[in-house]
Amino acid sequence: KAGVTQTPRYLIKTRGQQVTLSCSPISGHRSVSWYQQTPGQGLQFLFEYFSETQRNKGNFPGRFSGRQFSNSRSEMNVSTLELGDSALYLCASSLPIAAGTDTQYFGPGTRLTVL
Amino acid sequence: GESVGLHLPTLSVQEGDNSIINCAYSNSASDYFIWYKQESGKGPQFIIDIRSNMDKRQGQRVTVLLNKTVKHLSLQIAATQPGDSAVYFCAETRYNFNKFYFGSGTKLNVKP
Repeated sequence: KAGVTQTPRYLIKTRGQQVTLSCSPISGHRSVSWYQQTPGQGLQFLFEYFSETQRNKGNFPGRFSGRQFSNSRSEMNVSTLELGDSALYLCASSLPIAAGTDTQYFGPGTRLTVL
Repeated sequence: GESVGLHLPTLSVQEGDNSIINCAYSNSASDYFIWYKQESGKGPQFIIDIRSNMDKRQGQRVTVLLNKTVKHLSLQIAATQPGDSAVYFCAETRYNFNKFYFGSGTKLNVKP
């Protein structure tokens, strides 16, 4: 079974631009979560989508948004990029069983550099 | 928000020795915990999980111990190998919440 895939793997943008990252979950998984990983802040939860609805949200500004499609694929968007948005953006998918918590499996991440 | 931290940011062990990585969590309501391994340039890889109704769970060469009284989690790796060198994260969540909080990570160096 194929794992979580993320595209693109690397991205370079300039301040003020916007960016869209894509995540394809493991087949059959319906929950997709996004995380930001930086050396200073570690892994921080952005949001989670389940059945095309945002179910959980972290403490990030409104510039960070996401969506999920009917095939469970998800995209996240960051508008008006800032230098501090440079990070590894990770996507994780899980079944889950009913509406509960289940193990999350991560993709390789998208490395975003903002210049 | 919740705080999940680690006692040792870097751990160096000799190949063949056992490794113990510790994690403290602050939310007593957390009832599901996962250990992840992250190698350079890759996403976190699931190692083992444990629910709060258990104190111990074993996998292949790994054991996770949960002490709810002191809100402490540990990962034991038996016969550590060079391929175990990576950063290890613990993550916690509350059942039915699916919002994970991660520790800052411990880097494990395995010396041949």
